[in-house]
Amino acid sequence: AQSVTQPDARVTVSEGASLQLRCKYSYSATPYLFWYVQYPRQGLQMLLKYYSGDPVVQGVNGFEAEFSKSDSSFHLRKASVHWSDSAVYFCAVDRGSALGRLHFGAGTQLIVIP
Amino acid sequence: EAAVTQSPRNKVAVTGGKVTLSCNQTNNHNNMYWYRQDTGHGLRLIHYSYGAGSTEKGDIPDGYKASRPSQENFSLILELATPSQTSVYFCASGGGKGNERLFFGHGTKLSVL
Repeated sequence: AQSVTQPDARVTVSEGASLQLRCKYSYSATPYLFWYVQYPRQGLQMLLKYYSGDPVVQGVNGFEAEFSKSDSSFHLRKASVHWSDSAVYFCAVDRGSALGRLHFGAGTQLIVIP
Repeated sequence: EAAVTQSPRNKVAVTGGKVTLSCNQTNNHNNMYWYRQDTGHGLRLIHYSYGAGSTEKGDIPDGYKASRPSQENFSLILELATPSQTSVYFCASGGGKGNERLFFGHGTKLSVL
C-alpha cells in the first residue's frame, strides 16, 4: 500500500545542534517529494521539493533534504537549529501526476530548547 | 505572496446541522484543495478542484460535498455534521506542472457537538 511514514512523532534538540527528521515513502514510482512546515496557529508552508536530479535539495532557512531511491527515503536536515524552528514538519508525496494531491505523513513536532 | 483566506476561523456546530466552510484565493490558481488535519494522521485530502465548476473526490470524501463556483472560491459543505468531523480544515491552492507548491490558508477549527 502507498504510504508516507515519519517514524518520530516528536524530536527535541538544543539550539545550535544539528537536526535530522526522517521520512520514508512507499510508492511504485518516484513521486514528487516535499517537506512542509507548520508554525503554531498557521497553515503549512513549503520548505523544499524534489523530483529529479541532484538528490540533495536546498530549501529555505538553511534546510536541506536528501533523496535516496534505494532506501525510499527523503530525510530533512539542518546543520544548526534555532529556537524559531520549533514547529511541526510534514513530509509529503505527490502521487505521480504533480497535481497537488498530496499524501502527507503524520508529522514530526520539533521542539528546540534555547 | 500568494494568498488563501478561509472563513470562519472557528466554528461550533450541532450534530445534524449544515456547515459551510469557505475559501478564497487571489493567486489565480486553477487547482484548489480541501484537507483535514487530525493528530496522528497528518493532512488528508477530502475534495479538490481543477477549475470553476469542477470538483473531484479525494481520499476521504464521505460526508462532505464541495463547490467551486468561481476561480477564486472553493467551499466545503457538511450537509449533516457529525462529531467525527470535528477537526481542523485547510484549504490550499496551487499544484500542477511547473507550479507544484501548494499555498495553504490558516485553517478552520470545526467542533461538532
